[in-house]
Amino acid sequence: QKEVEQDPGPLSVPEGAIVSLNCTYSNSAFQYFMWYRQYSRKGPELLMYTYSSGNKEDGRFTAQVDKSSKYISLFIRDSQPSDSATYLCAMSENGNNRLAFGKGNQVVVIP
Amino acid sequence: DVKVTQSSRYLVKRTGEKVFLECVQDMDHENMFWYRQDPGLGLRLIYFSYDVKMKEKGDIPEGYSVSREKKERFSLILESASTNQTSMYLCASSPSAGGGWYNEQFFGPGTRLTVL
Repeated sequence: QKEVEQDPGPLSVPEGAIVSLNCTYSNSAFQYFMWYRQYSRKGPELLMYTYSSGNKEDGRFTAQVDKSSKYISLFIRDSQPSDSATYLCAMSENGNNRLAFGKGNQVVVIP
Repeated sequence: DVKVTQSSRYLVKRTGEKVFLECVQDMDHENMFWYRQDPGLGLRLIYFSYDVKMKEKGDIPEGYSVSREKKERFSLILESASTNQTSMYLCASSPSAGGGWYNEQFFGPGTRLTVL
């Protein structure tokens, strides 16, 4: 079993829809949970991070972590064509320099 | 503005050639990483370095080596390029992880390497 599972299937949604992405993981020592966004032909950039369990909101984006279920989610409200990108989840243990990445989800928001 | 730069955006090489990919960061970060990214496989760590002249193998080090002679520069070397090394190569850097601090990695734009 891989440490981080993220269904890499592409996702197409109409503009204005809610996008829901998720990852599961197996390592209970993970403490930091991140979402990266990667536009075509660019490197990934950090979108949001969360420490331990709970929710975090930033504008139209909400990140949720459920450590009891080893499950994290990213929600994008009122999706825009500019949100079209690949979204990768990533997580790490406290004090560990390495990140464990999911495979990424390609999201296409159709105008 | 933080910056990670990679020497080439696109590179075409022939099988058996020695290939050098260069990465430079201007953030005085201790850690530097090399990944490759392939469709359906995601990001896979090749090597990383947590200090000058220090290196550790990642998940797929076979066929690769690295060099870190200066803090700001991390090189990936393909000793004898093969067609299965055709991929997108991404460099990243991060500050050293300390207690209570998440270690955001900053990525370069990537090098699309094609081996013929």
